[in-house]
Amino acid sequence: DTAVSQTPKYLVTQMGNDKSIKCEQNLGHDTMYWYKQDSKKFLKIMFSYNNKELIINETVPNRFSPKSPDKAHLNLHINSLELGDSAVYFCASSRGGGARGETQYFGPGTRLLVL
Amino acid sequence: AQRVTQPEKLLSVFKGAPVELKCNYSYSGSPELFWYVQYSRQRLQLLLRHISRESIKGFTADLNKGETSFHLKKPFAQEEDSAMYYCALSGGGSARQLTFGSGTQLTVLP
Repeated sequence: DTAVSQTPKYLVTQMGNDKSIKCEQNLGHDTMYWYKQDSKKFLKIMFSYNNKELIINETVPNRFSPKSPDKAHLNLHINSLELGDSAVYFCASSRGGGARGETQYFGPGTRLLVL
Repeated sequence: AQRVTQPEKLLSVFKGAPVELKCNYSYSGSPELFWYVQYSRQRLQLLLRHISRESIKGFTADLNKGETSFHLKKPFAQEEDSAMYYCALSGGGSARQLTFGSGTQLTVLP
């Protein structure tokens, strides 16, 4: 009964390839996020979706395209992978609705290595 | 712009000693502050949040608006507290994204 799941857990690929990471939550949450954790363990927001609509798009290269087919899924597609894209990508979800102190629930992360 | 600073990347204490993980923030509005923890081989999870004023696993954190700080404290550290700790800020509104500090790796020595 995993709350937030991501696939794959590990992804090793060559520069220039296109890859996708999938995220699913079974918590009935309205809001989902993608975060990137770099080699120094620094976590930074990339995107946020609320009810399938994009509400945050930080300064992320347009090679990264999130897709939300329904509010339980938020997939991340990356075109023309570069060495600097190597990182751990975390998906998260929260109830939504703007309540103060809202908890975010994180997936296990996807470790991407671009060679 | 919102910013979170955790000045210590690594922190080691002995079991039973007090521990304090520092967090300072910069935000012009009324912030929501959190501490998230990542134990070895586990996912990131919420430890506590300032609006709850709760104590979780013996940890407490008080929001000090004058000093713009939200330090995490525990009077007697345990070995199982060893983990990566992230301070995070949410600016409110509909977005609710978290701005994280750079994290502090806490090691509690036997």
